[in-house]
Amino acid sequence: GAGVSQSPSNKVTEKGKDVELRCDPISGHTALYWYRQSLGQGLEFLIYFQGNSAPDKSGLPSDRFSAERTGGSVSTLTIQRTQQEDSAVYLCASRAGSTGGNYEQYFGPGTRLTVT
Amino acid sequence: GENVEQHPSTLSVQEGDSAVIKCTYSDSASNYFPWYKQELGKGPQLIIDIRSNVGEKKDQRIAVTLNKTAKHFSLHITETQPEDSAVYFCAASRGGGSNYKLTFGKGTLLTVNP
Repeated sequence: GAGVSQSPSNKVTEKGKDVELRCDPISGHTALYWYRQSLGQGLEFLIYFQGNSAPDKSGLPSDRFSAERTGGSVSTLTIQRTQQEDSAVYLCASRAGSTGGNYEQYFGPGTRLTVT
Repeated sequence: GENVEQHPSTLSVQEGDSAVIKCTYSDSASNYFPWYKQELGKGPQLIIDIRSNVGEKKDQRIAVTLNKTAKHFSLHITETQPEDSAVYFCAASRGGGSNYKLTFGKGTLLTVNP
């Protein structure tokens, strides 16, 4: 079946502009994660959504970052007033969630963000 | 919070040899340890995982071992092939207690020379 998809695959933006990154999780997966992959910091957790529960935003690096998940499926990560240090690959992952201890997370191909 | 250390950062082997990548973790409550393979320009791909109630798991040429007492786990790849060349990441999770968030090691660049 279809895996996690992300768009755009690449995004170049000027410093100070806002960007939106999109994630379509695997159909039926209730848990969705955003991670950031940068040269200096490796892979870092950003935010987690599970069903209708309040999201876990503990990994967001600043209040310029926000995310939403509409209808329990598609998610959008928004970065306002982008800075050069925001340049990274933004990865989305989904997990079957619900009960039963479904641990496995499956990643999308990522969005490479470059802030000039 | 959890801290995962991964070694080596680079590993070069000859085709057909074995490769071993090691990780240590700090949080004794972690109970799930996946390994991901990432090829250039792609997202991480889950290749094998292990839960804390087992000590070893094998899938064809890859295996993972876990030592809970010492808080370390390792990835073993036997009979390496050029297509095994990639960056490998280990990770740890506390499961439901932490929303299944993954904490990753810094990665190992594996090069398999034909």
